[in-house]
Amino acid sequence: NAGVTQTPKFQVLKTGQSMTLQCAQDMNHEYMSWYRQDPGMGLRLIHYSVGAGITDQGEVPNGYNVSRSTTEDFPLRLLSAAPSQTSVYFCASSYSRRAYETQYFGPGTRLLVL
Amino acid sequence: AQTVTQSQPEMSVQEAETVTLSCTYDTSESDYYLFWYKQPPSRQMILVIRQEAYKQQNATENRFSVNFQKAAKSFSLKISDSQLGDAAMYFCAYRVPNYGGSQGNLIFGKGTKLSVKP
Repeated sequence: NAGVTQTPKFQVLKTGQSMTLQCAQDMNHEYMSWYRQDPGMGLRLIHYSVGAGITDQGEVPNGYNVSRSTTEDFPLRLLSAAPSQTSVYFCASSYSRRAYETQYFGPGTRLLVL
Repeated sequence: AQTVTQSQPEMSVQEAETVTLSCTYDTSESDYYLFWYKQPPSRQMILVIRQEAYKQQNATENRFSVNFQKAAKSFSLKISDSQLGDAAMYFCAYRVPNYGGSQGNLIFGKGTKLSVKP
């Protein structure tokens, strides 16, 4: 098992550019989520999905879109990047949304928006 | 709304000594899970330990143990026999229980940076 993988590891964007952060898991997990980590802020939930075709917003969804067409993949799209989106992005997954399930995190994508 | 507070931005411990990291949370739920995650310089998030609110017994994982005080809404992490490899950011997290629209989502504290001195 590769676990949760994220690409790219690091990306530099100019303001207004768009890009997609990729996330994939090979554990047949139903629940997937995206977090952003900013200095002194911990991790904050952006969007999450409880299964293919089902997504919902988290705490900080503005400026981000997601879709879940397969169980394995959960891409995060930035349609028009802003400097405020400079952050480290983590994708996570768990077998289900039940509270006791362990969430497994990807290695993170560091994004710099100039 | 549920919140998680880690009041110690930074902590330091001597190698082989014991250190306790604090975490408090606010919730109106009676059943939930609490977690401690470790984030070393590699940035990988690693689950250290978890505690179910309904269990009276404090969770332990080798050198890591928790002091769970449900009434006080406190969930501290004790690291015994600290090692250089324990140096990392530590995040306390609460997971919304099995009902409601946002079930399954983790709520994190802001983290405590732990340094280990040789």
